[in-house]
Amino acid sequence: QKEVEQDPGPLSVPEGAIVSLNCTYSNSAFQYFMWYRQYSRKGPELLMYTYSSGNKEDGRFTAQVDKSSKYISLFIRDSQPSDSATYLCAMEPIYSGAGSYQLTFGKGTKLSVIP
Amino acid sequence: EAGVAQSPRYKIIEKRQSVAFWCNPISGHATLYWYQQILGQGPKLLIQFQNNGVVDDSQLPKDRFSAERLKGVDSTLKIQPAKLEDSAVYLCASSRKISGFSYNEQFFGPGTRLTVL
Repeated sequence: QKEVEQDPGPLSVPEGAIVSLNCTYSNSAFQYFMWYRQYSRKGPELLMYTYSSGNKEDGRFTAQVDKSSKYISLFIRDSQPSDSATYLCAMEPIYSGAGSYQLTFGKGTKLSVIP
Repeated sequence: EAGVAQSPRYKIIEKRQSVAFWCNPISGHATLYWYQQILGQGPKLLIQFQNNGVVDDSQLPKDRFSAERLKGVDSTLKIQPAKLEDSAVYLCASSRKISGFSYNEQFFGPGTRLTVL
């Protein structure tokens, strides 16, 4: 079992739809949870991050973490064609003091928002 | 603030040839990362530098990959000799110096797309 599992899609939705993207993980040490957006032929850019369980909202985006189920989600409301990209979840354990900050990424879900 | 710069953007080589990639991080960022992203996969960390010292190279295939960060700024990643399975996008990222907090935003460059024939 991989440490982080993410359905690669592709996912195609009409403009204005609510999008739900999900990841599951197996490592209980993960404490920081991130969502990155990656446009074609670009590097990933941080969209949102959350610490521990709970919800976090930023405009049309909501990140949700359920540590008891080892499950994280990203919701996109009123999706736009400009949201078409690959969305990568990423996770990081608490800093151990050894100096290494190893982000573990999911495979990414490719999203297309159709006008 | 200028972003992370990488060059070249694209490279095509024959197997067994050598290749080098260059990265210039965001000014003032002490930590630099090299990732390998194979098509359809998430990025995988190859090596992490703090200033000019290696913090983590546990996933770097050291028989063929090498990296350096002279003077704690620019970095180069080299592959010698290249194999077909090295075809991937090589991403460079940087972040500020860690002060004891775990969360530490990484800023990614556009990547170098390597094709090995």
